[in-house]
Amino acid sequence: DQQVKQNSPSLSVQEGRISILNCDYTNSMFDYFLWYKKYPAEGPTFLISISSIKDKNEDGRFTVFLNKSAKHLSLHIVPSQPGDSAVYFCAADQAGTALIFGKGTTLSVSS
Amino acid sequence: GAGVSQTPSNKVTEKGKYVELRCDPISGHTALYWYRQSLGQGPEFLIYFQGTGAADDSGLPNDRFFAVRPEGSVSTLKIQRTERGDSAVYLCASSLTGPSSGANVLTFGAGSRLTVL
Repeated sequence: DQQVKQNSPSLSVQEGRISILNCDYTNSMFDYFLWYKKYPAEGPTFLISISSIKDKNEDGRFTVFLNKSAKHLSLHIVPSQPGDSAVYFCAADQAGTALIFGKGTTLSVSS
Repeated sequence: GAGVSQTPSNKVTEKGKYVELRCDPISGHTALYWYRQSLGQGPEFLIYFQGTGAADDSGLPNDRFFAVRPEGSVSTLKIQRTERGDSAVYLCASSLTGPSSGANVLTFGAGSRLTVL
């Protein structure tokens, strides 16, 4: 049973618009949530994280929102750029265990 | 080193053969992780080392898979009697301390793509 779910396999957005990537989870014991970005033939790279006691964290063009009651988080990228085209993974962190990843969402940003 | 280094980047082998995949983590990182990523899936946890010992090997799919980290730095993932279903990208990651009180940010290598014919 998947503990971290990314239900949209792909998302297409125009340059300059907002990209919203969604993630749902089932385990209320997760302490942190992380977003990773992956280009082809490279390993995933860390983007941004959020503690389970926060509801928002912002870093430049990237903002992550957490809704604990709905067990849902989202990554907002604004404005989107063609270089943002990649696979985005949501991951959950529970103290003492390894990160659990979702299946990923492929973002395509067209110019 | 500056980043996590994995060798080989590509490995093609025949069913039934033995394979070793190597990971050189970031210098000073005590925690080392192996993940496997199949097509269309996210990284799936295999095993995690804290220093030289395996702190959690609950993700290893069966006893054909084994990993070592004898000196607390370089790690080798070993797969015996490979099967076609073992074909995947094997990712290694390291972190400074491992699971702790903050977010456990892992730094990944580029992966080793294993193809079993």
